[in-house]
Amino acid sequence: KAGVTQTPRYLIKTRGQQVTLSCSPISGHRSVSWYQQTPGQGLQFLFEYFSETQRNKGNFPGRFSGRQFSNSRSEMNVSTLELGDSALYLCASSLQGVPDTQYFGPGTRLTVL
Amino acid sequence: DAKTTQPPSMDCAEGRAANLPCNHSTISGNEYVYWYRQIHSQGPQYIIHGLKNNETNEMASLIITEDRKSSTLILPHATLRDTAVYYCIVRAIASARQLTFGSGTQLTVLP
Repeated sequence: KAGVTQTPRYLIKTRGQQVTLSCSPISGHRSVSWYQQTPGQGLQFLFEYFSETQRNKGNFPGRFSGRQFSNSRSEMNVSTLELGDSALYLCASSLQGVPDTQYFGPGTRLTVL
Repeated sequence: DAKTTQPPSMDCAEGRAANLPCNHSTISGNEYVYWYRQIHSQGPQYIIHGLKNNETNEMASLIITEDRKSSTLILPHATLRDTAVYYCIVRAIASARQLTFGSGTQLTVLP
């Protein structure tokens, strides 16, 4: 079974631009979570989607948004990029089992100049 | 979710077993122990999880003490590709989806 895929793998943007990242979960997984990882802050939760609905949201400004499609694929968008948005953005999918194990994708490395 | 304590770094010779400890003295009965690892700048990789019995899969073994206050992840024959940061996490069955990683253990496998 294919793992979680994320595109693109690397992105370079400038301040003020916006960016859209894509995540395809493992087949059959309906929950998709997004995380931001930086050396200083570690792994921080952005949001979780299940069946096209945002179920949980972390403590990030409204510039960070996401959505999930009927096939469980998910996108996240960051508008008005800031230098501090440079990070590894990770997507994780899960089957909603007990316990619920999250499987991560390879990440998208975003650099904001 | 309960707090975990791991040594910041460990070395292991290639081909030998790597034993990574984790302390979770405040774990409660409905909390699982999870292990992930992250090779530099890649996405975290799920390794194994357990509740109270020892577990083994194709990647590793997880040994949980009888009182469940600590556990050990064992990589039976470490290779250079096992060099990574290993994270021990404790999560309740009904925990919210978000994961939190501590600082983990940097395992370096030496040739």
